[in-house]
Amino acid sequence: QKEVEQNSGPLSVPEGAIASLNCTYSDRVSQSFFWYRQYSGKSPELIMSIYSNGDKEDGRFTAQLNKASQYVSLLIRDSQPSDSATYLCAVKEDFNKFYFGSGTKLNVKP
Amino acid sequence: NAGVTQTPKFRILKIGQSMTLQCTQDMNHNYMYWYRQDPGMGLKLIYYSVGAGITDKGEVPNGYNVSRSTTEDFPLRLELAAPSQTSVYFCATVSGGTNHEQYFGPGTRLTVT
Repeated sequence: QKEVEQNSGPLSVPEGAIASLNCTYSDRVSQSFFWYRQYSGKSPELIMSIYSNGDKEDGRFTAQLNKASQYVSLLIRDSQPSDSATYLCAVKEDFNKFYFGSGTKLNVKP
Repeated sequence: NAGVTQTPKFRILKIGQSMTLQCTQDMNHNYMYWYRQDPGMGLKLIYYSVGAGITDKGEVPNGYNVSRSTTEDFPLRLELAAPSQTSVYFCATVSGGTNHEQYFGPGTRLTVT
């Protein structure tokens, strides 16, 4: 059984701070990793994808991948109240099957 | 382009009834997926398809059936609905190749009572 683990939160940060979201996965052969944002009552939308060890930056978002530790994280700089949502970590396995974590709820306080 | 559309948006079923959740995409993507999301939880893969005529089970296929006769459509059939199938159902697509981004439909909220 492939597992993707996330802290359910809620994670509360003040506006302007850095939010750090973490995810671990069980399958060592996993190669592709994704962060989705999901607002309440809405469908998930892709924020970041990362395939190689190290950091990948896109605007205020940075994804970090450490395959040896089976760990992927998402940093959100200068957090805004509009970032308040649930963040889902996803891992792609063979045959384009995806496994999702249960999500971390982020609250950004004005 | 409509992207991924799902119907209905909401449905209430009685125990033992059956229904089909519709999913249609106009992006010509090869891969299509059905997920369910229970309250406070992540997405669980029910079934997926790598192209017309090809489907396979995901993590939680029991109580569901799918078919993929065209590239555009991927309906999910619930037979003999049970309260445990109360959930939000999302359809998603992936174009394939080197692009692994999933595009999600707006979801169907199903209640079985």
